[in-house]
Amino acid sequence: AQSVAQPEDQVNVAEGNPLTVKCTYSVSGNPYLFWYVQYPNRGLQFLLKYITGDNLVKGSYGFEAEFNKSQTSFHLKKPSALVSDSALYFCAVSPAYSGAGSYQLTFGKGTKLSVIP
Amino acid sequence: DAGVTQSPTHLIKTRGQQVTLRCSPKSGHDTVSWYQQALGQGPQFIFQYYEEEERQRGNFPDRFSGHQFPNYSSELNVNALLLGDSALYLCASSLSPGAYSPLHFGNGTRLTVT
Repeated sequence: AQSVAQPEDQVNVAEGNPLTVKCTYSVSGNPYLFWYVQYPNRGLQFLLKYITGDNLVKGSYGFEAEFNKSQTSFHLKKPSALVSDSALYFCAVSPAYSGAGSYQLTFGKGTKLSVIP
Repeated sequence: DAGVTQSPTHLIKTRGQQVTLRCSPKSGHDTVSWYQQALGQGPQFIFQYYEEEERQRGNFPDRFSGHQFPNYSSELNVNALLLGDSALYLCASSLSPGAYSPLHFGNGTRLTVT
């Protein structure tokens, strides 16, 4: 069974500073990896995904993530944080094959990002 | 272009009752997945519907059932409600059932079981 760990419940960063939200995963075979963001009382919004190819993935709102197969990590990064980036961030994984478990995403518990003005 | 719409937004039910939640997918999407998000947790996969059939199911009891209609909209039914069923129920649609296809989520239905 696949799993996702987001080791930090909360990350605080000053506006204008770079931010990193950590994610490690466990899955059989190759992974599909995703980051989603959730604002209060809203559903999740897709930020970016890694399917195959370049390990550095660029997504919406200036976010990017780096896939590291040896460390089974997929950390979310942004060079300069904005106050409006404050939200709940979820990492998710799925196995990259057709078969049982292949259609579902497994999410981490989420990391609350607070960007301080 | 309407995104994923869910109804109702909030619902209060009593233990033992039954509930039906509804979802209309984003225009052009034919696959609907349902997730349960308990307070302070990440979403957990309930099941996915494609071509009016349940394609995959997560670790949820048979009390949770669903349906997809020819227009791709979907319903989630929960029977014999328990206090532990209180959660935000999220519907997500996608262009295809493959996990590589990003999910588009609705704003959810907040279910409270008393």
